Amino acid sequence: DGGITQSPKYLFRKEGQNVTLSCEQNLNHDAMYWYRQDPGQGLRLIYYSQIVNDFQKGDIAEGYSVSREKKESFPLTVTSAQKNPTAFYLCASSGERAMVGQETQYFGPGTRLLVL
Amino acid sequence: GQNIDQPTEMTATEGAIVQINCTYQTSGFNGLFWYQQHAGEAPTFLSYNVLDGLEEKGRFSSFLSRSKGYSYLLLKELQMKDSASYLCAVRVSTGGFKTIFGAGTRLFVKA
Repeated sequence: DGGITQSPKYLFRKEGQNVTLSCEQNLNHDAMYWYRQDPGQGLRLIYYSQIVNDFQKGDIAEGYSVSREKKESFPLTVTSAQKNPTAFYLCASSGERAMVGQETQYFGPGTRLLVL
Repeated sequence: GQNIDQPTEMTATEGAIVQINCTYQTSGFNGLFWYQQHAGEAPTFLSYNVLDGLEEKGRFSSFLSRSKGYSYLLLKELQMKDSASYLCAVRVSTGGFKTIFGAGTRLFVKA
């Protein structure tokens, strides 16, 4: 089955700890995205990557880092510099960025990060 | 700046029709999406409009007016399972492409 997987479903972070959220897709999509969702707010873009080995900061990149070494994978690290990390994190992917009909983003099931 | 507005909550009755409005002020408009999101789950794609007019897909229809910066999602023959948040999102071209999401409209369907 084609799709996007995220793991783990729930993640607990201790003070001062870095944690990494996994995102894998087998849709052969070029572009991948990380969003953060807080209660009562829209999805906010953290980082996005339109091609392997390249990524761009979104609107709220501070305290986060990413890598895109493979087309299928786009892991997100929440560093200790992110002071308010408790949120629902969603990964998404879409087809070739400039092609008509490839614009739709498809989402993984999400990871809920909680601070201990 | 880029801004998307939609009502916070709506309530409707099973079997009825409901219209969820979305207004946007963005530059580099490149299409408008509607997603459905059940509590604690990922958003799922409903519709995409890039040209003015109405797109119908079963019980769901989406309308776009680019000159007015306005869209709506129309849900017919409401079912209890339609209780969810509905996210309006605009794709913008800013060098690359980016999608900006509204805060979502929580729809409650009552019997």
